[in-house]
Amino acid sequence: EAGVAQSPRYKIIEKRQSVAFWCNPISGHATLYWYQQILGQGPKLLIQFQNNGVVDDSQLPKDRFSAERLKGVDSTLKIQPAKLEDSAVYLCASSLPSGRAGEQFFGPGTRLTVL
Amino acid sequence: QKEVEQNSGPLSVPEGAIASLNCTYSDRGSQSFFWYRQYSGKSPELIMFIYSNGDKEDGRFTAQLNKASQYVSLLIRDSQPSDSATYLCAVMGAGGFKTIFGAGTRLFVKA
Repeated sequence: EAGVAQSPRYKIIEKRQSVAFWCNPISGHATLYWYQQILGQGPKLLIQFQNNGVVDDSQLPKDRFSAERLKGVDSTLKIQPAKLEDSAVYLCASSLPSGRAGEQFFGPGTRLTVL
Repeated sequence: QKEVEQNSGPLSVPEGAIASLNCTYSDRGSQSFFWYRQYSGKSPELIMFIYSNGDKEDGRFTAQLNKASQYVSLLIRDSQPSDSATYLCAVMGAGGFKTIFGAGTRLFVKA
């Protein structure tokens, strides 16, 4: 079974530039998550999709971050414009819905450095 | 008060010893509890989950849950150097949707 795929693995940009990350979940996983993990901290949920609908985006900085999941499969997360404090690893995860939603499978992550 | 709290460590144990990792949570209605292992530079990997009060054993790992005390723990028996990693406690809230992660406890197992 293929795991969660993410790209790119690394990205270096300057502040005020834009960046986009892509995620393809495990086949059949209806729930998809984007997390931000700053060094030394646990993953912080940015947005959670159930199929192509948003379940939770309460911690997504909507003035600069956006995410979409067209057709209920892969997803993109965009930052525009980036700030220095956005430097982090962006993790995508997927899971089966409802009762098993906490059993999440993570992709390798994208390490973003904002200069 | 943080929603999910863990001692950041590092916790250092000798090879072969029992490592005990602890986690407390604030949402009394939380239903599901998870332990993820994260090696340095890697993404989290689910190693245990527990839904009911009591103990759940899987190989060298035992998860313990006490909902009355809002406390969940992970015991690693016969610790190995390969167990050296950060262990993240994750708690799913009463709504059954949002999972909140703790900051993690770093474990070092000395050979």
